[in-house]
Parts: sequence; C-alpha cells; structure tokens
Amino acid sequence: RKEVEQDPGPFNVPEGATVAFNCTYSNSASQSFFWYRQDCRKEPKLLMSVYSSGNEDGRFTAQLNRASQYISLLIRDSKLSDSATYLCVVNGSSASKIIFGSGTRLSIRP
Amino acid sequence: EAGVVQSPRYKIIEKKQPVAFWCNPISGHNTLYWYLQNLGQGPELLIRYENEEAVDDSQLPKDRFSAERLKGVDSTLKIQPAELGDSAVYLCASSLGGGRSGANVLTFGAGSRLTVL
Repeated sequence: RKEVEQDPGPFNVPEGATVAFNCTYSNSASQSFFWYRQDCRKEPKLLMSVYSSGNEDGRFTAQLNRASQYISLLIRDSKLSDSATYLCVVNGSSASKIIFGSGTRLSIRP
Repeated sequence: EAGVVQSPRYKIIEKKQPVAFWCNPISGHNTLYWYLQNLGQGPELLIRYENEEAVDDSQLPKDRFSAERLKGVDSTLKIQPAELGDSAVYLCASSLGGGRSGANVLTFGAGSRLTVL
C-alpha cells in the first residue's frame, strides 16, 4: 500500500462547478498535511496547508479527518485557471520526510 | 529573494553517459530535497539533507546515483552511468527545517528534465 494515495482522475467538470478530491495516508503519526498544485510542465507549488480544524482560502477548503486518515480539498465556483494536477502531501515516518501522492488531474471546461 | 535555482533545465544524453544536476536552495533553508518525477506521477524522494548531512537516502539507487551538499548550501546530484529508465524530471526543493513554523513547506526549483537516448 502506498503511503499517500489519491484518485488520479481526470476530473472533467464545467466552469462554476464544485469539485472535491480526497487523499488517504497510511501513517497515523503524520502531523503535516498540504495540498500542492502543479501546472503542466511546471514545478509543484504550495496551494494550502491543511490544519486539524480545517481551513479555507477563498474558493478552496481543506479538511483533515485523522480518524479515517484522509484529507480533502474542495474547490467552489471552479475557474478555467483551476485546471491543473493537485498533489496531496503528508509527512512520513519523520517530521521532515515529505511524501507526495500521485496527483489528481483536474480539467475545467468552459 | 531568489527561489530555488536548478541547472541545467534540460539535458539530453546517450545511455551510459554521466550527468550532473545542480541546485541552489533558498537562503537560510536548512533542508534540501532531491525528487524524481515521472510523467503522470507525483514526485518521489531520492535524498534529503539536513544541512550537509544526508538524513534519508533510502530511495537513492546508490549503484549509479550520488549526491553531495558539501557546505550545507548548494547540492549536486550525479548519475553515472545513465540508463534509459532515468529519463525524468529531477526536482530540487528546500524548506526551513527544524521546528519552526512552516518548517515543512517545500519550495521547488523549476526542475531538470533529463532525456536518455
């Protein structure tokens, strides 16, 4: 079993739709959780950290469920510019060991 | 402030040739990572440095890959000899490290795209 698993997609949704991704992780001791965004042929960039209480940044909401060991990302009112791959990131057996999921591809259509 | 700088951006070599990638992290970032990313996959860790010490190199194929971070700042990743399957993007990232706020937030360089023919 991979340490961090994501649905690879692709998710193809119309502009303005709400879309959600989940990501599961295997290490119950993980403490740091992030969502990164990666555009085609570009490097990953931090989208948002995920806090225990959940957090929101504009149209983006991240949630953490420790009991079930998953994190989620919700995008409301999706824009064409949201088309990208979204990478789930969790720290592993040590605090500084950062593990990436395989990514979920999102495509927003006009 | 300059971000993470990597070079070269692109490299095409024939199999069995050597290749080296260079990375200069963000100033003050103690932790440096080398990741490998294949098309359609997430980045996979090759090696992680805390200052000049390699603290996690368990995924580095040591028969052909080597890395160094001699003064705890910039780093070099080398492959010798390269194989066809090494074609990928090699990403360098850095983070503050330690117990500080945001210690595990990674900033990536633009990557070095390797093609082995």
